[in-house]
Amino acid sequence: QKEVEQNSGPLSVPEGAIASLNCTYSDRGSQSFFWYRQYSGKSPELIMSIYSNGDKEDGRFTAQLNKASQYVSLLIRDSQPSDSATYLCAVAYTGANSKLTFGKGITLSVRP
Amino acid sequence: GAVVSQHPSWVICKSGTSVKIECRSLDFQATTMFWYRQFPKQSLMLMATSNEGSKATYEQGVEKDKFLINHASLTLSTLTVTSAHPEDSSFYICSARGASGRLRDTQYFGPGTRLTVL
Repeated sequence: QKEVEQNSGPLSVPEGAIASLNCTYSDRGSQSFFWYRQYSGKSPELIMSIYSNGDKEDGRFTAQLNKASQYVSLLIRDSQPSDSATYLCAVAYTGANSKLTFGKGITLSVRP
Repeated sequence: GAVVSQHPSWVICKSGTSVKIECRSLDFQATTMFWYRQFPKQSLMLMATSNEGSKATYEQGVEKDKFLINHASLTLSTLTVTSAHPEDSSFYICSARGASGRLRDTQYFGPGTRLTVL
């Protein structure tokens, strides 16, 4: 049974702070790692994808992957109230028939 | 790039009727499409996976005769909820994945269809 675990939330940070979202996964064969953002009543939107150990930066977002520890995280720098949403960690094999395994998500609230 | 659309965005129907939801990849060919359902305050639940030109693969517990999926082309998949009942009211979301490169490894989600069955 492949599992993806995310911190129980909600997480509240003040505007301008760094929000740190964490995720662990059980299947060592996982090869693709994703962070999706989902606003209330909307569908998920891809924020970051990461495939190799280390950091990957895109604007205010940094994804970190450590396959040895089976750990992937998302850092949001200079958090804005518009970042308030549920963040879903998802893990998959690479390949034609792979499916995403989602964590339950963590709700982030950025206080003005 | 990698835009997925869904139609309709919301639908209200009477109990016992059937509802068809369309999912289209607008700027890439989607060899695989996925259908999810999400109830309020809950996580996404994968219902089925469909590959173009073949029968859908349903997840355990999902009735294939109730949720008919057709992936007739590389840009279109449809989900038909047959004989809908109030308990089928939910947010239905499709996603699509392409054939090569990062499109093959990443699922791009449509905006979702909110179904309300009276």
